[in-house]
Amino acid sequence: GQNIDQPTEMTATEGAIVQINCTYQTSGFNGLFWYQQHAGEAPTFLSYNVLDGLEEKGRFSSFLSRSKGYSYLLLKELQMKDSASYLCAVRDTDDYKLSFGAGTTVTVRA
Amino acid sequence: DSGVTQTPKHLITATGQRVTLRCSPRSGDLSVYWYQQSLDQGLQFLIQYYNGEERAKGNILERFSAQQFPDLHSELNLSSLELGDSALYFCASSLGTGSNSPLHFGNGTRLTVT
Repeated sequence: GQNIDQPTEMTATEGAIVQINCTYQTSGFNGLFWYQQHAGEAPTFLSYNVLDGLEEKGRFSSFLSRSKGYSYLLLKELQMKDSASYLCAVRDTDDYKLSFGAGTTVTVRA
Repeated sequence: DSGVTQTPKHLITATGQRVTLRCSPRSGDLSVYWYQQSLDQGLQFLIQYYNGEERAKGNILERFSAQQFPDLHSELNLSSLELGDSALYFCASSLGTGSNSPLHFGNGTRLTVT
């Protein structure tokens, strides 16, 4: 099984940077994903990490440390439309499912 | 648009009834996943199919069942419905089961049990 922890809520100002942390415990690690979900809508894929290090995609970056069971999603130059829930998800080697954390609700204020 | 189609978008039914939710995966995707999302909970994994076969099972109730058909579309059947089954049900698909295959989600079916 897996245990995935992320903060419940974060607030930041437009134009600022926010870092969302995710820690996980899993019997076998096979990749970590970040998704964005606006209220009442489908989650959309943001990033994928399987090796240690930083993956950059425009304003969004994701970092992984497998030895520490830790990842973060970095959102730069925040825009109002970035207000959403951000979900950390871990794939286990023991099975094929993708397990999600409870999500971090980010509110961007003007 | 993710390319994953779910029908219906909304469903309102009474306790004790049975409903079927339908999902068509993205073209070329062989894996289909079902998730339940309640207001007070995150995305809860229910079940996964790959090319017609069940691959992984989560906390799916015995009252719930699913299958994936030869044309790769999937159906989730919920029976003896209870008030607590009210939730958003998402279907997702991926190319395969490899570690780097992201899931692409449909827009969900909002089920309300009254």
